[in-house]
Amino acid sequence: AAGVIQSPRHLIKEKRETATLKCYPIPRHDTVYWYQQGPGQDPQFLISFYEKMQSDKGSIPDRFSAQQFSDYHSELNMSSLELGDSALYFCASSSSSDEGAPFQPQHFGDGTRLSIL
Amino acid sequence: GENVEQHPSTLSVQEGDSAVIKCTYSDSASNYFPWYKQELGKGPQLIIDIRSNVGEKKDQRIAVTLNKTAKHFSLHITETQPEDSAVYFCAASLDTGGFKTIFGAGTRLFVKA
Repeated sequence: AAGVIQSPRHLIKEKRETATLKCYPIPRHDTVYWYQQGPGQDPQFLISFYEKMQSDKGSIPDRFSAQQFSDYHSELNMSSLELGDSALYFCASSSSSDEGAPFQPQHFGDGTRLSIL
Repeated sequence: GENVEQHPSTLSVQEGDSAVIKCTYSDSASNYFPWYKQELGKGPQLIIDIRSNVGEKKDQRIAVTLNKTAKHFSLHITETQPEDSAVYFCAASLDTGGFKTIFGAGTRLFVKA
């Protein structure tokens, strides 16, 4: 079965640079979530999109932005990168119920490992 | 906001024994409780979930129980196998309207052969 695809798998950047992470949800999934996971920590919710509109916001820094496109893929844009941004970034997707509201569960990709030098 | 506490942080069991991981949540509005297994270098994988209108759910060797009054839920793995070794996360969220999922801190399970 098709899974959530994230690219790139690994990314190395220097401080103050920018980065773009991409997420391709499972086909027919209309909701995308972004998480940040530090070493030995649990995933921290950053932001989510439902039908191309931002649906909820968590601990996402102002330096980060994200969007969901017409084909439902999503991109997380990160600017002025800091050493503390080094982490695993996961994307998850889910499908909505017939009532039009997101229906859990979320299915995760294998993440992008971002390293800031 | 929601806060999820998970215990223990590390659990070591002998192959064939049972493992139990417990979580508590703070927001009584949460009504969906998934459990994820994360192996090294991979994303969290959903292994079982339960909604607030159900007290217990079982899938082969894995079961989850929910006590809404006490706001706690537990994962039970029976007949553990070495391949069950991983980090397990509980989580709480709303399954409609709300999109945010709050994770527990995780339990590292070691199954010794």
